[in-house]
Amino acid sequence: EVKLVESGGGLVQPGRSLKLSCAASGFSFNDYWMGWVRQAPGKGLEWIGEINQDSSTINYTPSLKDKFTISRDNAQNTLYLQMSKLGSEDTAIYYCARVPYNNWGQGVMVTVSS
Amino acid sequence: DIVMTQSPSSLAVSAGETVTINCKSSQSLLSSGNQKNYLAWYQQKPGQSPKLLIYLASTRESGVPDRFIGSGSGTDFTLTISSVQAEDLADYYCQQHYSYPLTFGSGTKLEIK
Repeated sequence: EVKLVESGGGLVQPGRSLKLSCAASGFSFNDYWMGWVRQAPGKGLEWIGEINQDSSTINYTPSLKDKFTISRDNAQNTLYLQMSKLGSEDTAIYYCARVPYNNWGQGVMVTVSS
Repeated sequence: DIVMTQSPSSLAVSAGETVTINCKSSQSLLSSGNQKNYLAWYQQKPGQSPKLLIYLASTRESGVPDRFIGSGSGTDFTLTISSVQAEDLADYYCQQHYSYPLTFGSGTKLEIK
């Protein structure tokens, strides 16, 4: 069974950084592109970006390209999202997903507030 | 960026009725190379993660009931839910995966009367 479990969320002050993790199991992690999607409270889905199998190609939505960094550790079957310069607009549930987005994690909440 | 415009933003129907949700893209999602439309539909039930229903505009994901039907080509797409059931209460999103950045529609909230 494919399982994706996000962690690392919580309350963070504006301007600070936070790194999310997504632990994958039940499939051959290094065979798949992986992606991140977020959802602000009561709002729709926003695609953040995705990374290919060997990390040689990473695509981002332009508005987040300078703030967020996606990476992966195939030895640890883990996907990461490094977020910097966080603002209130980044308050959201963050989901990791296996491309083509047919498997999603349960999501992790990030709240940016002083 | 490709803009995805979804309509309606919400609708309420009785169980057993048929529902149509529309999605329009600002550019064609049809690949000239393989004649496939790179459009997906997702269902998100309250408090849950999104679930892929349809990909390549009309292919149902494994396990998705056949009352969910995707259609359309180019820039205009439709998700039809026939004989709506109470369990179909959810938000529905279209997404283009034709070009980066991938983009979602704003969503359609389906309520059951």
